[in-house]
Amino acid sequence: GQNIDQPTEMTATEGAIVQINCTYQTSGFNGLFWYQQHAGEAPTFLSYNVLDGLEEKGRFSSFLSRSKGYSYLLLKELQMKDSASYLCAVYNSNYQLIWGAGTKLIIKP
Amino acid sequence: DAMVIQNPRYQVTQFGKPVTLSCSQTLNHNVMYWYQQKSSQAPKLLFHYYDKDFNNEADTPDNFQSRRPNTSFCFLDIRSPGLGDAAMYLCATSREGLASETQYFGPGTRLLVL
Repeated sequence: GQNIDQPTEMTATEGAIVQINCTYQTSGFNGLFWYQQHAGEAPTFLSYNVLDGLEEKGRFSSFLSRSKGYSYLLLKELQMKDSASYLCAVYNSNYQLIWGAGTKLIIKP
Repeated sequence: DAMVIQNPRYQVTQFGKPVTLSCSQTLNHNVMYWYQQKSSQAPKLLFHYYDKDFNNEADTPDNFQSRRPNTSFCFLDIRSPGLGDAAMYLCATSREGLASETQYFGPGTRLLVL
């Protein structure tokens, strides 16, 4: 089977740093996406990793280790507007996009 | 601004009464997707079109059909909605469906079945 695992929920404090982990078991790998989804809204693209290493984009960074089937999304200087669900999705070798259920991030003042 | 538009944002229907959800895009993308997403769950791909070529996911119920009359528009038809079909329905597009491409999502239609 194909599976993506993420924590269901995380809580962090405004101004802090949080790391959201994603592990995957898929039939092959052709890239990993992180999307942000506010409650009741559509997912919006955050990052794409296809090679090992860290991709930095402003306050958000995403890391990939293909050998470990592992990625994380790092959010710095948290703001209240970062309260949302963060979905990890992997393209497998059949070019199917396999989605995780998302991690609900709660930011407290 | 180029975008993906879904109408309506909220749809209420009765058990067993056919309903159609609409999606349009101004991105001129070749690929259009329909996803079903239930609360706190991953989006589930129902089907997608590459241009006019229709691709149905193996586990998509026959109750769900789709039409793409032209590049810009795509419709999701639910022939006999059941209570279990209440969900958010997301339309997305990508330029060529390549693994490196971002999918652009519409705002979604939340379907309620009474």
